[in-house]
Amino acid sequence: DARVTQTPRHKVTEMGQEVTMRCQPILGHNTVFWYRQTMMQGLELLAYFRNRAPLDDSGMPKDRFSAEMPDATLATLKIQPSEPRDSAVYFCASGPGGSNYGYTFGSGTRLTVV
Amino acid sequence: SQKIEQNSEALNIQEGKTATLTCNYTNYSPAYLQWYRQDPGRGPVFLLLIRENEKEKRKERLKVTFDTTLKQSLFHITASQPADSATYLCALRTGGSYIPTFGRGTSLIVHP
Repeated sequence: DARVTQTPRHKVTEMGQEVTMRCQPILGHNTVFWYRQTMMQGLELLAYFRNRAPLDDSGMPKDRFSAEMPDATLATLKIQPSEPRDSAVYFCASGPGGSNYGYTFGSGTRLTVV
Repeated sequence: SQKIEQNSEALNIQEGKTATLTCNYTNYSPAYLQWYRQDPGRGPVFLLLIRENEKEKRKERLKVTFDTTLKQSLFHITASQPADSATYLCALRTGGSYIPTFGRGTSLIVHP
């Protein structure tokens, strides 16, 4: 089965450090999302790409977060500087174009900022 | 403001019974509604999609209904099994967007 691959699975870092999370979408999927999941807020959209172009990053704190797709096989999410409130599970999801499909999620990166 | 509500209390049922989970929404006109399953430590897994002009969709033991008048979707699992225990999330999309907005999910526990 095709799957979305996220690395690392777990990351513990100190406040103020830069964190980079990576995602390999399913080959051929042109829609990519980054979500953050916490107990308090559930799944929140951070960024949305279509054909590698960022179309929505309104949910992302712009002063410290950035999301890019340098090519069709790689999406990155960076936090600089990281803060304890960024501790969460970060998911990448991808999907084919078209309205009749759901999305495939990766297993997530569990980030802990101490 | 837009709101998606799923029961925050866990649903406990006995094996073999039908589980019914609810997704209500307000201030929203979704064109598509999706249901996902999430197991602990894993990402959500897509189960079913239903459009606003469809009343019901089935897949094996799963059935989803979508009532745009009541602003509600029901998700049924018939002949439930302990392996169905998980958190189930609904997600709404408007017609002009590919972005799903997720509810908080409801935990289902099926007892043997």
